[in-house]
Amino acid sequence: AQTVTQSQPEMSVQEAETVTLSCTYDTSESDYYLFWYKQPPSRQMILVIRQEAYKQQNATENRFSVNFQKAAKSFSLKISDSQLGDAAMYFCAYRSAGAAGNKLTFGGGTRVLVKP
Amino acid sequence: NAGVMQNPRHLVRRRGQEARLRCSPMKGHSHVYWYRQLPEEGLKFMVYLQKENIIDESGMPKERFSAEFPKEGPSILRIQQVVRGDSAAYFCASSQPGPRLGYTFGSGTRLTVV
Repeated sequence: AQTVTQSQPEMSVQEAETVTLSCTYDTSESDYYLFWYKQPPSRQMILVIRQEAYKQQNATENRFSVNFQKAAKSFSLKISDSQLGDAAMYFCAYRSAGAAGNKLTFGGGTRVLVKP
Repeated sequence: NAGVMQNPRHLVRRRGQEARLRCSPMKGHSHVYWYRQLPEEGLKFMVYLQKENIIDESGMPKERFSAEFPKEGPSILRIQQVVRGDSAAYFCASSQPGPRLGYTFGSGTRLTVV
């Protein structure tokens, strides 16, 4: 079974600076998808960024980018120019690309605090 | 273009009562997923349904929990004889077929058992 680990329970960042959230996963599959979700206090789960394992190029969405290291099974999220609205829980998630690709496996989350 | 609609947003039940959580998927989405989030934890998969079929219920507790997605109407997650440990946020998500596409999540139902 796949597992996803987020080793940082909480990270603090100054407004306008950069923070990096770590995520590692364990799988025996070669094809899969990785996601970062943001959960603000409203509880809504918001997709931040998605990475396809067969693509070597790291995904980027505006101020959000990932560092995908397939051999190391690492998938970190970098938030640049942090804004107050970035304060939230962030969850890393894994989804198989094969027949079992019907569910997401989530990490335990990292709380991001943004200081003005 | 409404997203995934879940209701109620908050639900309070006494121990032993039944809880019914509803989820209407996004228009055009035929796949529905239910997840549970305990306080300060990540989401845990419960069940995956398509219209009138349960495809994967590997995350569902064996007793008291059931889910359905009828031909007409919303998907329902039903918890019978609730206990305090059932208190959690329950999220529904929907998607089109294919793992490449991401889910769209609803805002969740927070169930409190008193």
